[in-house]
Formats: sequence, C-alpha cells, structure tokens
Amino acid sequence: AQKVTQAQTEISVVEKEDVTLDCVYETRDTTYYLFWYKQPPSGELVFLIRRNSFDEQNEISGRYSWNFQKSTSSFNFTITASQVVDSAVYFCALSPDNYGQNFVFGPGTRLSVLP
Amino acid sequence: DTGVSQNPRHKITKRGQNVTFRCDPISEHNRLYWYRQTLGQGPEFLTYFQNEAQLEKSRLLSDRFSAERPKGSFSTLEIQRTEQGDSAMYLCASSSWRTSTDTQYFGPGTRLTVL
Repeated sequence: AQKVTQAQTEISVVEKEDVTLDCVYETRDTTYYLFWYKQPPSGELVFLIRRNSFDEQNEISGRYSWNFQKSTSSFNFTITASQVVDSAVYFCALSPDNYGQNFVFGPGTRLSVLP
Repeated sequence: DTGVSQNPRHKITKRGQNVTFRCDPISEHNRLYWYRQTLGQGPEFLTYFQNEAQLEKSRLLSDRFSAERPKGSFSTLEIQRTEQGDSAMYLCASSSWRTSTDTQYFGPGTRLTVL
C-alpha cells in the first residue's frame, strides 16, 4: 500500500522567512513518481513539480527548491524568502505510474505567510 | 491553452436528489480523472478515463456514482440519491500521454453541499 505523510498540518511564517514543508512517503514500488501541488484559497490545484524515483537530483525553480532523498523516503519542499502569495495548502503526492487509482495525495500542509 | 473547466462551481441539493457535474478537459488531453476532496484532506481518486474508456474505478465509488466520457472529450459525474456524506469538492483533472510528463492539470472543482 502506498502512503504519503505530511506531518505539518499548519505552518505560519512571517514574510521573507524561509520555510520547509515535509513529505514522507511509503511505497513498495521500485519505480514511482512524486509530486507537489499548491491549492490557493481559490481551490484550484496548481502543479508545481514531478520527480521520478531514479532522479535524486535536487531541483531549484526561482524561490522554490525540492530535496529528494530515497534513503529517508522524503521529498521536502522549501520556499525561500516567502511571500504572502505563497499562502496556500500544499499537497505532496505519490504514484507508481503517474496516473490511476494509485495516485495518492498526502493530507496537505496549510502555509500562512503573514505580512 | 484553456485550462480544465468544471460546471457548476457550486451545487446545493437536498438529500435524495440526483446531481450531475460536468468537466471539460484541456483540449486534446486523452486522460481524464475525477477526485473527491473533503475539508482538510487531500484529494481522493474516484475514477479515470483514457479517451472514452473508463479504465479504473476506486472502491470509494459506490453504485450511486456513475461517470461517463461518451466522446472522449468532456465527462460527467452523476450522483444518484445524494447523501449528506457526499458533501465535498469534486475535482476533475486531465493529462496527455503524448507529453513526456503526463502531468495532471486540475480544474477549479465543483463544491457539493447536500442538505
């Protein structure tokens, strides 16, 4: 069975602080994909990143960076110099095949960035 | 590209009534997905289409739920004899296997309230 854990239910930071959102996953598959999605107050899930299990290289995109460590089954997400517009619920997700019923989301972390 | 659209955005109904939601995927996306999201939780997979074929259905999808994608374009999700437990956000996503990432892009959702 697959499982995604996001232990941080809610995080509050002050604007310009860095913040890391944790994601720990469980799977028996040797090949799998990991994702992060953002859900702002408007409700629409916005795709942020997809990473496959063979690529442990960390990725940076502007103020966003992701740290994938297979040894600890973690795929953490860091926002540098947070902004109020970063306030949203962030979901980590896992899938062995990029689609289908085994596409499992974590419970989400609600990030509030205060001015 | 126009994104995934869903209609209606909000639906309030009385217990026992039938409701139908519509999802229009991104043009030429051949895969379409339905998810359900309850308050404070991540989306849960309901069903998945590739073109007009419904390939997977979650065990969460009771007999009261039915989904169709008759021409491989838009899809409908019908809930018969609604129950209060059906109150949730129903999300639609689409993707294309022709792209290298086959990333799922989500619509804004339909929020169902069953009184």
